[in-house]
Amino acid sequence: DSGVTQTPKHLITATGQRVTLRCSPRSGDLSVYWYQQSLDQGLQFLIQYYNGEERAKGNILERFSAQQFPDLHSELNLSSLELGDSALYFCASSGRGQNYGYTFGSGTRLTVV
Amino acid sequence: SQELEQSPQSLIVQEGKNLTINCTSSKTLYGLYWYKQKYGEGLIFLMMLQKGGEEKSHEKITAKLDEKKQQSSLHITASQPSHAGIYLCGADTYSGGGADGLTFGKGTHLIIQP
Repeated sequence: DSGVTQTPKHLITATGQRVTLRCSPRSGDLSVYWYQQSLDQGLQFLIQYYNGEERAKGNILERFSAQQFPDLHSELNLSSLELGDSALYFCASSGRGQNYGYTFGSGTRLTVV
Repeated sequence: SQELEQSPQSLIVQEGKNLTINCTSSKTLYGLYWYKQKYGEGLIFLMMLQKGGEEKSHEKITAKLDEKKQQSSLHITASQPSHAGIYLCGADTYSGGGADGLTFGKGTHLIIQP
């Protein structure tokens, strides 16, 4: 157990639908990062939150959004889903100064049918 | 933007043999991370390198950072079936406000043949 918890582990949904992925960071970590891993694109950084505020954006589509709540858990919302959104979605957290590196959760496997 | 190229893309090695995986960056490396991933599972942190010339070892895995060459290498000695998986290198990316997560290479798929 890495200390980063992601739910659900698997999600199957239809095109056009909306889903929410949840992440609880490791205790004490203020930063949360979301990544998408697909076969063709590899592991792509989507967005980062630090203590409730958006910190950095990567290759995140406009149909996707995220937020970090006061208890530091984060949610990634994916809407108007397309077949190409099928992927593994990872959450990672880090402590102040990145001295601890980045700890990844076990991921949510999203399948859009 | 920073890009990381890993080589080789895939590697088949006989059990007991040594192997090396390389990660080359298009920009200066400030922090370089190595992760291992079993297919379809989460990323397991292996090592973090921050200084040029730094070398770290854990069990039979050694990683080095060559800052001048903007390159890191991961060396496995006497490979075992448990070493099989995908090895990913990641590098800190920075904007004016500080570190903004990791940029990853495409990964190296390692297969160990008994």
